[in-house]
Amino acid sequence: AQSVSQHNHHVILSEAASLELGCNYSYGGTVNLFWYVQYPGQHLQLLLKYFSGDPLVKGIKGFEAEFIKSKFSFNLRKPSVQWSDTAEYFCAVNEADSSASKIIFGSGTRLSIRP
Amino acid sequence: DTAVSQTPKYLVTQMGNDKSIKCEQNLGHDTMYWYKQDSKKFLKIMFSYNNKELIINETVPNRFSPKSPDKAHLNLHINSLELGDSAVYFCASSRDEGSPLHFGNGTRLTVT
Repeated sequence: AQSVSQHNHHVILSEAASLELGCNYSYGGTVNLFWYVQYPGQHLQLLLKYFSGDPLVKGIKGFEAEFIKSKFSFNLRKPSVQWSDTAEYFCAVNEADSSASKIIFGSGTRLSIRP
Repeated sequence: DTAVSQTPKYLVTQMGNDKSIKCEQNLGHDTMYWYKQDSKKFLKIMFSYNNKELIINETVPNRFSPKSPDKAHLNLHINSLELGDSAVYFCASSRDEGSPLHFGNGTRLTVT
């Protein structure tokens, strides 16, 4: 069964610092990959997704993620964070070549930005 | 217009009661889901429906019963509520299985 690991539980950065949040998954077949963001007190929103093609995916608000198949990774990056990026970030994966496949979420990484 | 709307936003009730949470999406999506987010923010899928048909039923107590009267609605009924049911429940929809999810605002259920 597929699983998703986010090893950073809580990341604290100062404004303008660069960000990289790790995400690894366990499925060996074809995957769809997602990053979602949950701002305090709000619902989850899609940041970016990878289905196929260019492994470097650009999302909203200056975020990007790189799919490295050999490492089963889909790390999220942002060159310069802002205070408004304070939120919980979830990596998610879905088996693209399975029927009745579900989107499985990682345990989330809480990002705190110091102003 | 809210794409995925769920009601109520907050639900406080006592152990043993039965309660329902409603969800509606106006995106024309075929697939709808219920996710449970616990106090540690861990998000776990409970059910998914595709065109009113149950597709995924995770290891959820049978006190939880989803109902999909049409593909735009997926309601969640919970019998005999327990303290451990306290969580935020998110409804979501997607164009099809594997497509990005659109989430509702969540229902914070507190069982006392």
